[in-house]
Amino acid sequence: SVMTQTPLSLSVTPGQPASISCKSSRSLLHTDGRTYLYWFLQKSGQSPQLLIYEVSNRFSGVPDRFSGSGSATDFTLKISRVEAEDVGVYYCMQSVYLTHTFGQGTKLEIK
Amino acid sequence: QITLKESGPTLLKPTQTLTLTCTISGFSLSTSGVGVGWIRQPPGKAPEWLALIYWDDDKRYSPSLKSRLTITKDTSKNQVVLTMTNMDPVDTGTYYCAHRGSGFDPWGQGTLVTVSS
Repeated sequence: SVMTQTPLSLSVTPGQPASISCKSSRSLLHTDGRTYLYWFLQKSGQSPQLLIYEVSNRFSGVPDRFSGSGSATDFTLKISRVEAEDVGVYYCMQSVYLTHTFGQGTKLEIK
Repeated sequence: QITLKESGPTLLKPTQTLTLTCTISGFSLSTSGVGVGWIRQPPGKAPEWLALIYWDDDKRYSPSLKSRLTITKDTSKNQVVLTMTNMDPVDTGTYYCAHRGSGFDPWGQGTLVTVSS
């Protein structure tokens, strides 16, 4: 499954919202009824960190300004009010088809 | 607290075999549902998943690299080992291991592997 993220980069004023799209070439709805779509943030010089699992579940410790939504092939990560610490590259990832595939990444900068 | 740490060679010549070790702490490889995965990231590019091993020794590989990869675990040593044969300069990148629970989290700090003659 090919994962396509848009935009590839965005520049946001602190306090303003941001939205990243992730589209899959195949439905990510598993036969078990769950949808295996994840979001990660990689800050400069660091390992990626999990933000969202299974479309919309915030991982432990992730601020509630981050939210995930979507279904089947279309997914969105939203940041309600961007903060300076949110700078980095965001990746979506799927794990439905006996493999894991990452999107190409979206670089978030602060204006 | 779950932690993972990668170790292995930093420089390889083309055609050589890469062997990386992931040493874990804070969880057990024998616990039901647990997995450890390997992911690599070429400089400036997106991560690429390589392999995953579960507590019951179920193994999964990237289809494009399956012929070159082997993943094993040693529960008593709390280690997961990845071998990749026939290394090429395009395999240069940072190699991470990661705990597979709700997703991949946390990840190790990564180890940079350079393939050059």
